[in-house]
Amino acid sequence: DQQVKQNSPSLSVQEGRISILNCDYTNSMFDYFLWYKKYPAEGPTFLISISSIKDKNEDGRFTVFLNKSAKHLSLHIVPSQPGDSAVYFCAASALNTDKLIFGTGTRLQVFP
Amino acid sequence: DTAVSQTPKYLVTQMGNDKSIKCEQNLGHDTMYWYKQDSKKFLKIMFSYNNKELIINETVPNRFSPKSPDKAHLNLHINSLELGDSAVYFCASSQDPWTAYSNQPQHFGDGTRLSIL
Repeated sequence: DQQVKQNSPSLSVQEGRISILNCDYTNSMFDYFLWYKKYPAEGPTFLISISSIKDKNEDGRFTVFLNKSAKHLSLHIVPSQPGDSAVYFCAASALNTDKLIFGTGTRLQVFP
Repeated sequence: DTAVSQTPKYLVTQMGNDKSIKCEQNLGHDTMYWYKQDSKKFLKIMFSYNNKELIINETVPNRFSPKSPDKAHLNLHINSLELGDSAVYFCASSQDPWTAYSNQPQHFGDGTRLSIL
């Protein structure tokens, strides 16, 4: 049962443009959402998060949007840089379960 | 100075063998985790320890046994290895188990790629 879905396995964006990574979830009990970034042969590193009481959180070039009614969140990176090329994992948690549920990741490639 | 370190980075072994993966964190965190990333790239929690006590134990075969000698270490021992155990295993740590899923995210090691022949 895949509760967190990232339906696009890959995304290619030109440097300087906006990258939009999408994530859908099925469990309405999720109340916190996180994005992790992963380079090859390294572990995931935390990028940005959002609570379910908000619909937007911004940190520099990274903004996460949450649409609870659609059970959808997205990560916007603008402007995209070659160093942003990595796999991005969406993750969600519910207060009463104390564990993170990860999506399968989207590989972002930013080309010059 | 690596925050969460796992050894070995690669592990190739035969079916039926017993192997261990070690994990150490120098962040002073109370909580540590083991995750498995399978061939379909799903990253799933296996175990979680808080102050050396088991707090999460997902549906994992008994062949997998975590051991936490102290707060800074969480080792994973696997008995009678099977082909399906081939995966990348990630260790992680967090300040505590309550904010790990919100504003005090988990820190991950670089993973151990386990290949069963």
